[in-house]
Amino acid sequence: SDLSQPPSVSGAPGQTVTIFCSGSITDIGAGSDVHWYQVLPGSAPKLLIYGTSKRPSGVPARFSGARSGTSASLAISGLQADDECFYYCQSYDSGQRAVLFGGGTKVTV
Amino acid sequence: QVQLHQWGVGLVKPAETLSLTCAVYGETFTDYYWSWVRQSPGKGLEWLGEINHRGITAYNPSLGTRVSLLVDPSVNQFSLKVFYVTASDTGVYYCARGPSPSHDWALDFWGQGTTVTVSS
Repeated sequence: SDLSQPPSVSGAPGQTVTIFCSGSITDIGAGSDVHWYQVLPGSAPKLLIYGTSKRPSGVPARFSGARSGTSASLAISGLQADDECFYYCQSYDSGQRAVLFGGGTKVTV
Repeated sequence: QVQLHQWGVGLVKPAETLSLTCAVYGETFTDYYWSWVRQSPGKGLEWLGEINHRGITAYNPSLGTRVSLLVDPSVNQFSLKVFYVTASDTGVYYCARGPSPSHDWALDFWGQGTTVTVSS
């Protein structure tokens, strides 16, 4: 089954927001990698965090990831106006051999 | 730097076949898997399937046999077909590199997206 995310989170400029991604024992709980994507309006998804907590070149350290058990999280610190968009978590179901996405979370600044 | 460029028909009639192609530039095509992902209006991202240069595939179980991926490694291209489309297949379709070993099996580079509308 797909991963679960809250539909929306909000925060004031400069604050920290955290988005949680809930999975199961067949995906995140099985040790599958967790990744996060940023989707700006009218743009293709951009890889933001990979392997739970690694940042691709060019992604600011304000974005950080973690995992625990069957869940993972993305934290955005020092919130900025242009952080306002959708964020998706992604993992892998080893039983179904399928890539899974969360439903997406809209961050409002 | 790897680049993906995709194209295809933007308007498809119900019950017909949706077809898209993605070309890969600046990368060794044979080293990776290549995926298709879509986003329907008001909904999130949905993985459709993946293929490698040998034609080995994996598909989203929820789509059954309605989806087919093909590859032509001689021209670094892969393609998507969705059969018997309905209005729920309307959305933006993306090709992507991955799951990629370069980034712990994430989808690390994406095409520009193609909007497909299913309507008579």
